[in-house]
Amino acid sequence: SQQGEEDPQALSIQEGENATMNCSYKTSINNLQWYRQNSGRGLVHLILIRSNEREKHSGRLRVTLDTSKKSSSLLITASRAADTASYFCAGETSGSRLTFGEGTQLTVNP
Amino acid sequence: GAVVSQHPSRVICKSGTSVKIECRSLDFQATTMFWYRQFPKKSLMLMATSNEGSKATYEQGVEKDKFLINHASLTLSTLTVTSAHPEDSSFYICSAVGSWETQYFGPGTRLLVL
Repeated sequence: SQQGEEDPQALSIQEGENATMNCSYKTSINNLQWYRQNSGRGLVHLILIRSNEREKHSGRLRVTLDTSKKSSSLLITASRAADTASYFCAGETSGSRLTFGEGTQLTVNP
Repeated sequence: GAVVSQHPSRVICKSGTSVKIECRSLDFQATTMFWYRQFPKKSLMLMATSNEGSKATYEQGVEKDKFLINHASLTLSTLTVTSAHPEDSSFYICSAVGSWETQYFGPGTRLLVL
């Protein structure tokens, strides 16, 4: 399966700053999802944006989707040290199959 | 929220042995489960789709005879790594799809083959 790309691969910011991560994908999708993974742990679902949506908010998270460019972005506002983790986007295609991006390692320094 | 468990969480085995990993949906029924593997600092790679009552569908490049998948009930799928070798060492993660669009992921199983 084709993997999407994410940038940056690593992002280090100070607490209180905003963090923006970008994701690009290659095939048509039904929706785009963002997940978080703490080191050596399972994935936690953060937010889902459907292919007919352009922007979605959930708490401190803001996700955009541009299907013409096959890209999405995740913005975390007012970051906290506890937000330190790896973040993955995943495009869902038929049969609920997910294709994950390479991920962004976010470090929020206190 | 929906909970998916995996057992064991960590396993160390000798080369040549087989290892079984269980994935359970604890509070919902899942007709479809997925198995992924993840190498250190890398993304998740889909290995196979596990469908209750039917054969698993494997992704290109995944050896079905090496990674045996059984989905015998609506709450349990198992992945057996047969004749494990050091290159099979990895983090194996399952996910389950219920009546919702969101996939719920298990906590993962870390396999180390010596």
